[in-house]
Amino acid sequence: GQNIDQPTEMTATEGAIVQINCTYQTSGFNGLFWYQQHAGEAPTFLSYNVLDGLEEKGRFSSFLSRSKGYSYLLLKELQMKDSASYLCAVRDNDYKLSFGAGTTVTVRA
Amino acid sequence: IAGITQAPTSQILAAGRRMTLRCTQDMRHNAMYWYRQDLGLGLRLIHYSNTAGTTGKGEVPDGYSVSRANTDDFPLTLASAVPSQTSVYFCASSEVAGIGADTQYFGPGTRLTVL
Repeated sequence: GQNIDQPTEMTATEGAIVQINCTYQTSGFNGLFWYQQHAGEAPTFLSYNVLDGLEEKGRFSSFLSRSKGYSYLLLKELQMKDSASYLCAVRDNDYKLSFGAGTTVTVRA
Repeated sequence: IAGITQAPTSQILAAGRRMTLRCTQDMRHNAMYWYRQDLGLGLRLIHYSNTAGTTGKGEVPDGYSVSRANTDDFPLTLASAVPSQTSVYFCASSEVAGIGADTQYFGPGTRLTVL
């Protein structure tokens, strides 16, 4: 089975940095994904990690430690449009994704 | 290019009725997926298809069936709807299941209410 945990909610100020943690216990591991989902919309892909370390993509970075079953998504220079849910997902050895419940980030002016 | 389309956008359905949710993609992706999203539970995989002509069961397949007669279409059928199937349903596709980043692209979703 898959167990993926992430905080339910986080609040931060515009221009600040927020780190969303994700821990996982899965029966297999074949990559970790982060998706962004604005309210009432479809999820959209943000990042992919399969090896340990940091992947940077503009204002967003994602980190993975396979030995610790841990990832985080770092959002820098927060903007109001970053208010959304952020979904952590793990791909198993059968190539299927299991999603965490999502972290709702609220950016305040 | 539309990407992935889903129909209907929303539907209210009486319990016991049969319902088919439609999903079409124009990206020639091999793999397609159906998820349901419920508050506090996140996205859960219902059924998937790695290529046309094949399908597989996900985490919550009971009460649902799918078919994949061609590359573009992946309909999801509720044979006899029950209130617990009230949810938002997302269809997704990816180029090739499990290879590299294998980004899944999601449709806009169907909001289904079963009374």
